[in-house]
Amino acid sequence: SSELTQDPAVSVALGQTVRITCQGDSLRRYDASWYQQKPGQAPVLVVYGKNNRPSGIPDRFSGSSSGNTVSLTITGAQAEDEADYYCESRDSSGNLLVFGGGTKLTVL
Amino acid sequence: EVQLVESGGDLVQPGGSLRLSCAASGFTFSSYWMHWVRQAPGKGLVWVSLISSDGSTTKYADSVKGRFTISRDNAKNTLYLQMNSLRVEDTAVYYCARRGSRGSDGPFYFDQWGQGSLVTVSS
Repeated sequence: SSELTQDPAVSVALGQTVRITCQGDSLRRYDASWYQQKPGQAPVLVVYGKNNRPSGIPDRFSGSSSGNTVSLTITGAQAEDEADYYCESRDSSGNLLVFGGGTKLTVL
Repeated sequence: EVQLVESGGDLVQPGGSLRLSCAASGFTFSSYWMHWVRQAPGKGLVWVSLISSDGSTTKYADSVKGRFTISRDNAKNTLYLQMNSLRVEDTAVYYCARRGSRGSDGPFYFDQWGQGSLVTVSS
């Protein structure tokens, strides 16, 4: 089992706001990153650090953190946002890296 | 344009060996830490291994420690993963990924990924 815990599946109505969460003790000490993966494709970085987006990522994607939980929020979800989302950070020792189990986002 | 291109994936029997390669282009390869991440069919992403920019530091997930070896050739802009004593549970798409950062203290993130190379371990 992963040291970072995500809900397996989340759904959102088109145009609405959705929050995807990731929990883990290491998140109290280390920043996390979020990746979007569509079927048959490599992951793509969407948010990193406290709340940073790479160039080319729409501003409807944002990140936040509180205690042992980090969140990815999509404000005004679009059909093309339907994908798997993974958080990533350090493990509890701080020496290795770990991904969350992933959240499958369905846009209704 | 930054590119990472994996190769070497194949069908191999349990107990066998395989070496993956990741050819990098479009950036100064020797300046970046590099990683391998794998994804079993229908499953999530799993971090496998990292190597520092100069190759002096390597780390491994417990599931592959002692069986896999990460290395790099900065003159050839290529990352490698030598996989020995392969098990059925090593079956996965293996991605190489570049570790980016906004400064020496982070934050850190995977900002470039290859397209993946499929390793199938089966008798």
